[in-house]
Amino acid sequence: QQQVKQSPQSLIVQKGGISIINCAYENTAFDYFPWYQQFPGKGPALLIAIRPDVSEKKEGRFTISFNKSAKQFSLHIMDSQPGDSATYFCAASNKWAGANNLFFGTGTRLTVIP
Amino acid sequence: ETGVTQSPTHLIKTRGQQVTLRCSSQSGHNTVSWYQQALGQGPQFIFQYYREEENGRGNFPPRFSGLQFPNYSSELNVNALELDDSALYLCASSPEGLAGGIYNEQFFGPGTRLTVL
Repeated sequence: QQQVKQSPQSLIVQKGGISIINCAYENTAFDYFPWYQQFPGKGPALLIAIRPDVSEKKEGRFTISFNKSAKQFSLHIMDSQPGDSATYFCAASNKWAGANNLFFGTGTRLTVIP
Repeated sequence: ETGVTQSPTHLIKTRGQQVTLRCSSQSGHNTVSWYQQALGQGPQFIFQYYREEENGRGNFPPRFSGLQFPNYSSELNVNALELDDSALYLCASSPEGLAGGIYNEQFFGPGTRLTVL
C-alpha cells in the first residue's frame, strides 16, 4: 500500500521553465512533508520541507504548496536549470508514531533541456 | 561537520549468503534509520535505532536485523540473501528519535549498492 502517491513519473522541462511535481497522502496523522533530490549513484538529499500549519514555503527557486484539506502537496521549481535534472521524491512522516520513519513517493525523474 | 558515511560502496553476494552493511551517523545525531531502495523506486523504511535500541520497524522479515553502537554508528545485517534483496541500502541519521521529538529531518548517506546473484 503506497502511503504517498507521486506524479508524474517523469517530467521534461525547458531551461527557464517551471517544474511541478505533485503528491497526495491519506494518513491525516502525517505532520512533516519533505522533498528529496537524488542524483544517480547518490543518496537522497533534503531539498525543502513543510509542516501542515503553513500553506506554502519558499526557499530560493523551490516552493512547496500544501493543501491540508485536499491532502495534497506539490513542489514547484522556478527557472528550472539543467543542473536540476535529477529524481525528486516527496515524503511524509508522523513524529508521534514512535519512529519518525519517512514514507516516500515513487519518484519523479526530471530532465531540464538546455 | 562530517556527513553520513556508508561502507562498502558496492557489494556482490550470492543467494543464501549473509551481508553486513555499515553506517556512521552525522556528528551530533543519535538516531539512525535504514532504508531499502529498489531500482526505480522510492526508499522503503526497514528500521530505526535510537540510543542502541530498535525504535520502529517497517514491513521487512526478521532476517533483516541491525545494531547501533555507543558512538551511534550502525550495522544492517541481512541473512539468507534472496535475489529481491538486490537494492541500494541507505542509512539516514537524525538528531532526535523519540516520539514527539522536535526534529524530523533525516540526512542520508550515499548508500551501499548490493547485488545478489
